Amino acid sequence: KAGVTQTPRYLIKTRGQQVTLSCSPISGHRSVSWYQQTPGQGLQFLFEYFSETQRNKGNFPGRFSGRQFSNSRSEMNVSTLELGDSALYLCASSNLAGGAKNIQYFGAGTRLSVL
Amino acid sequence: AQKITQTQPGMFVQEKEAVTLDCTYDTSDPSYGLFWYKQPSSGEMIFLIYQGSYDQQNATEGRYSLNFQKARKSANLVISASQLGDSAMYFCAMREGNFGNEKLTFGTGTRLTIIP
Repeated sequence: KAGVTQTPRYLIKTRGQQVTLSCSPISGHRSVSWYQQTPGQGLQFLFEYFSETQRNKGNFPGRFSGRQFSNSRSEMNVSTLELGDSALYLCASSNLAGGAKNIQYFGAGTRLSVL
Repeated sequence: AQKITQTQPGMFVQEKEAVTLDCTYDTSDPSYGLFWYKQPSSGEMIFLIYQGSYDQQNATEGRYSLNFQKARKSANLVISASQLGDSAMYFCAMREGNFGNEKLTFGTGTRLTIIP
């Protein structure tokens, strides 16, 4: 079974631009979560999607948005990029079959650099 | 208040020795799950082990075990017979509640280096 696939692996953008990151979950997984990892703030939860609906959202500005498609693939978008948005963006999927024991499986991440 | 605390920024351990990575947590929710992930330099987070708040026994997965002390709110990861490939960042994480909440709260991590 293929794991969580994130594309692209690396991105370089300039301030003010926008960027879209993609995440394909493990086959059969319907929940997709996004996290931002920076040296200063560590790993922070961005949002989670299930059945094309955002169920939870972290404490990030509205420039960060996402969506999920009917095949469970998800995208996240960051508009008007700032230098502080430089980070490793991790996507995770779970099948929600384990109840409290739902395991999130992560992709390799997209490393975004904002110049 | 920080919900997950990992007090060891870095650790150096001799190959084949056992190592304990510390994790304490804080929550008022009686139902929660605790997770450990490994992050090699490649960036991918690899799931290692899970412990539920209602689990009576400590979790074990191969060379990994979780020393769960509920009253002390600690969930330490024990790696037996460490190997060079164990060198990585290790993160403790918690999810509160049961259904409908997939948000993981992570600690700051411990960088483990195995010395040959």
